[in-house]
Amino acid sequence: AQKITQTQPGMFVQEKEAVTLDCTYDTSDPSYGLFWYKQPSSGEMIFLIYQGSYDQQNATEGRYSLNFQKARKSANLVISASQLGDSAMYFCAMREGGDMRFGAGTRLTVKP
Amino acid sequence: EAQVTQNPRYLITVTGKKLTVTCSQNMNHEYMSWYRQDPGLGLRQIYYSMNVEVTDKGDVPEGYKVSRKEKRNFPLILESPSPNQTSLYFCASSLLSLGTEAFFGQGTRLTVV
Repeated sequence: AQKITQTQPGMFVQEKEAVTLDCTYDTSDPSYGLFWYKQPSSGEMIFLIYQGSYDQQNATEGRYSLNFQKARKSANLVISASQLGDSAMYFCAMREGGDMRFGAGTRLTVKP
Repeated sequence: EAQVTQNPRYLITVTGKKLTVTCSQNMNHEYMSWYRQDPGLGLRQIYYSMNVEVTDKGDVPEGYKVSRKEKRNFPLILESPSPNQTSLYFCASSLLSLGTEAFFGQGTRLTVV
């Protein structure tokens, strides 16, 4: 069963603006971790940010922040001040124990 | 340098010819995992291992085998590859705890004809 949903196959954002990439998840396990990864056109997977299910505060890493709404089971990625180098595929993922599931991804294009 | 190394990076093979994709990590990670990436489907977990001699099925294990005889290595074996296994494969490793990032290999582009 699909446990991670990314509803935006593609997104466009103007350079220097902020953008939010949506991610919802489904689990009955109280202990889980949420991740966002970036995949540029070169193909490698780059870790961006992590949020634990018990974390009280939203995670932040530089220009990346995770808007964690536990009751809604959503973990949206916010990228502030977009740069041309942010153009890539973005994947939301959830880990429960050894299971790791990814969403289908969102392709972000930053326009100059 | 901390890294996950996959080999080969590219492979074209014929249906039914057994192949192995190797994965090695130098970070002493307990957790290792294999994924396949297909357009529109994201990454799907094939198998994972929480430690030496401990492996478990992921979402799409059919047609694949793995082994974990040493902590650093986690090879993916396709005993009889079929065209529907044409995909981009990633190996990843991390510490056992949930809150640690996974380090990914560079990927292996496999084509089965």
